[in-house]
Amino acid sequence: GQNIDQPTEMTATEGAIVQINCTYQTSGFNGLFWYQQHAGEAPTFLSYNVLDGLEEKGRFSSFLSRSKGYSYLLLKELQMKDSASYLCAVYTTSGTYKYIFGTGTRLKVLA
Amino acid sequence: DSGVTQTPKHLITATGQRVTLRCSPRSGDLSVYWYQQSLDQGLQFLIQYYNGEERAKGNILERFSAQQFPDLHSELNLSSLELGDSALYFCASSSTGDGTYEQYFGPGTRLTVT
Repeated sequence: GQNIDQPTEMTATEGAIVQINCTYQTSGFNGLFWYQQHAGEAPTFLSYNVLDGLEEKGRFSSFLSRSKGYSYLLLKELQMKDSASYLCAVYTTSGTYKYIFGTGTRLKVLA
Repeated sequence: DSGVTQTPKHLITATGQRVTLRCSPRSGDLSVYWYQQSLDQGLQFLIQYYNGEERAKGNILERFSAQQFPDLHSELNLSSLELGDSALYFCASSSTGDGTYEQYFGPGTRLTVT
């Protein structure tokens, strides 16, 4: 089957670094997305990885290992506004193109 | 503001009814995606249209259908509604159809089935 796992909740302190992990088991892998979603709002795009390695974008970085079925989102210099849910999603072409989302990781940033 | 608009913002209807949700993509975007988000199931991909044609399909129920019109706006039709269809429905758009580009989400339509 196709499955994506993320921790349900994480807590970190303002100014710290946090790593949110995502493991997946899918066929026809075509890339992995990370989205941020504040409570009651729409998701916003953070990153897209299709090749192994680290992609850095400001305070946010995303890593992918296709052989291990593993990705992580790294958030540096945490700010209170980073308190949100972080969604990992895999784009697959198994049979038909589709997106499979994890249930999301709710991050709380404490002062 | 992502540039994607969805109407209505809220919709309350009864079981067995049919509703239509509308989405206008960002100017210039050719792809439209529909998602369902409920508390117990997270975000679920329903379907993607690219320039009027169906491009990708997720776990969309047979009671649900969608289309994209020549002006690129899209509609999601939900029929024979059940209590479990109560959810937030998001539309997103992107510039291409290959699925690997950033998607811009609209504010969502909250559907309540009573």
